Amino acid sequence: GENVEQHPSTLSVQEGDSAVIKCTYSDSASNYFPWYKQELGKRPQLIIDIRSNVGEKKDQRIAVTLNKTAKHFSLHITETQPEDSAVYFCAASRGVTGTASKLTFGTGTRLQVTL
Amino acid sequence: GAGVSQSPRYKVAKRGQDVALRCDPISGHVSLFWYQQALGQGPEFLTYFQNEAQLDKSGLPSDRFFAERPEGSVSTLKIQRTQQEDSAVYLCASSRHLTGTATNQPQHFGDGTRLSIL
Repeated sequence: GENVEQHPSTLSVQEGDSAVIKCTYSDSASNYFPWYKQELGKRPQLIIDIRSNVGEKKDQRIAVTLNKTAKHFSLHITETQPEDSAVYFCAASRGVTGTASKLTFGTGTRLQVTL
Repeated sequence: GAGVSQSPRYKVAKRGQDVALRCDPISGHVSLFWYQQALGQGPEFLTYFQNEAQLDKSGLPSDRFFAERPEGSVSTLKIQRTQQEDSAVYLCASSRHLTGTATNQPQHFGDGTRLSIL
């Protein structure tokens, strides 16, 4: 089955700096890669996703890149703010005609943005 | 509209008791997933429904875990004879489904039920 590895496990940056979180996946059939932000005691919230037919996607301060050949994808947050502090999870799933597919998650990155 | 709703938010049970966790998905969402999230870990897949059909239950850890979605809307995850290792947050997620395509749709999560087994 799919295996997703995520690094680093913790990341501390100063406000205004950029943060980068990296994930690798094992299943070459995976074609959908969402990123979730989870604050303490709260639900995982989808912040951005990318499909395997594109290499990069951007939404304001957040961008995701995908390298299908190397089977890795990354989350980039620019101009970080204190409210970006949370745990971030990457995930991967296959697309199968006629049915939805489960997400396989990474182990999470705790991002702390300091003043 | 309303998001995914889960109840109860917190559940404390003694080892050996049975528990039932409820998920109310976003209206119209065909797909419903259950995940288990241990402390400090990412969510792990338990089971998946498309309407009332349970299409994948490969993640259920034992036969003590049972899930149903009889009318294709609300789902219940039941754990029988609970053990301490069942302590975790149980997350429910729902998504739209586009028939005839292999395109995954975003999964939207509820706040989860934090289950503590004493």
